[in-house]
Amino acid sequence: QVQLVQSGAEVKKPGASVKVSCKASGYTFTSYYMHWVRQAPGQGLEWMGIINPSGGSTSYAQKFQGRVTMTRDTSTSTVYMELSSLRSEDTAVYYCASLGRDSSDLGDYWGQGTLVTVSS
Amino acid sequence: SYELTQPPSVSVSPGQTARITCSGDALPKQYAYWYQQKPGQAPVLVIYKDSERPSGIPERFSGSSSGTTVTLTISGVQAEDEADYYCQSADSSGTVVVFGGGTKLTVL
Repeated sequence: QVQLVQSGAEVKKPGASVKVSCKASGYTFTSYYMHWVRQAPGQGLEWMGIINPSGGSTSYAQKFQGRVTMTRDTSTSTVYMELSSLRSEDTAVYYCASLGRDSSDLGDYWGQGTLVTVSS
Repeated sequence: SYELTQPPSVSVSPGQTARITCSGDALPKQYAYWYQQKPGQAPVLVIYKDSERPSGIPERFSGSSSGTTVTLTISGVQAEDEADYYCQSADSSGTVVVFGGGTKLTVL
């Protein structure tokens, strides 16, 4: 069955970087885009960007340009999202999502979420 | 930047029909998607491509589109439908994904 399994919770200091992983199984990894979405405590969903696991091309939301990097490892069917220069406002649950029907469809399958806490 | 607008809250009694709207200038050109999110859980897709229902989603969930507004309709609302609902679409270029601010559905 399809699964997106994310790495565990992280606590980081302001200015540091965090790298969250999302391991896919149960489908052809390179056939579907992977999106990253975050949700700050008590707030709504916020799209961060998309990666094409086939060729590795990416597109990021303007808000995160210059601070976010999405990569993939096809040998392990894993996508990574690295966010740098962390600040307290980056405290959020980060989700990966895939198996959309096209690039603007996040898909039916989401990871369980990874809580990133930024605190001094 | 492109925005999708949802009402912050909608309240209905059990068995009634709930309608949640989402407005955006690019909606005539871009599909809309609807997600249900319960506390502490990841979002669940309930409608895709304006009006299609994924497998496993109850028939009481339906979607429609008219001009710059899309609507999620939940017929015969049940207590278990109490959740936050988010619409999602893309800007006119199709390259930037956007979420609405979310609507809290309360079942009275």
